[in-house]
Amino acid sequence: EAQVTQNPRYLITVTGKKLTVTCSQNMNHEYMSWYRQDPGLGLRQIYYSMNVEVTDKGDVPEGYKVSRKEKRNFPLILESPSPNQTSLYFCASSPGTGPEQYFGPGTRLTVT
Amino acid sequence: QKEVEQDPGPLSVPEGAIVSLNCTYSNSAFQYFMWYRQYSRKGPELLMYTYSSGNKEDGRFTAQVDKSSKYISLFIRDSQPSDSATYLCAMSAYPGAGNKLTFGGGTRVLVKP
Repeated sequence: EAQVTQNPRYLITVTGKKLTVTCSQNMNHEYMSWYRQDPGLGLRQIYYSMNVEVTDKGDVPEGYKVSRKEKRNFPLILESPSPNQTSLYFCASSPGTGPEQYFGPGTRLTVT
Repeated sequence: QKEVEQDPGPLSVPEGAIVSLNCTYSNSAFQYFMWYRQYSRKGPELLMYTYSSGNKEDGRFTAQVDKSSKYISLFIRDSQPSDSATYLCAMSAYPGAGNKLTFGGGTRVLVKP
């Protein structure tokens, strides 16, 4: 089944404790991205990657890092999480031949 | 002001009614216009997208784009309780702007049996 998977689905952590949210897609898509979804603000792009080893900032990159060492994986790293990063995070992928993006199931992160 | 505006609802309709959703936008660079459906505790699911102005139909769903007015719509005919979800409009300046999708805040729809 073609899909985008994320782990973990739910995470509660404390301020300053480094964490990684994994994202993987099995569709051989060139393009991958991360979004966060907050009430009243909608979905906003954090980082994106056009291909392996090519990443760039989205609209809200502060406090986040990403890497793209393999085509299928695009982890999101929070090196020192803060409470304002409490949010619902979505990974998405696209073949890159059109605008459509396919989303994962989401990771709900709470930082206390 | 947000680039994409969408009424948050909720929009409550009886089963079988037509659901009418819309978004307005301000960025003239947007060329592609998408609608996603999001069920509670799930990721957004792409319903359909259109390029530039015009209409597109897919089963019970019809999308309309009026670029001159910067206004897009989604109509759901013969609505079912399973259509109860949050509907998100999204726009893209693809292939520019890093293929970023700019979303509206979503409209919550409730279809009552």
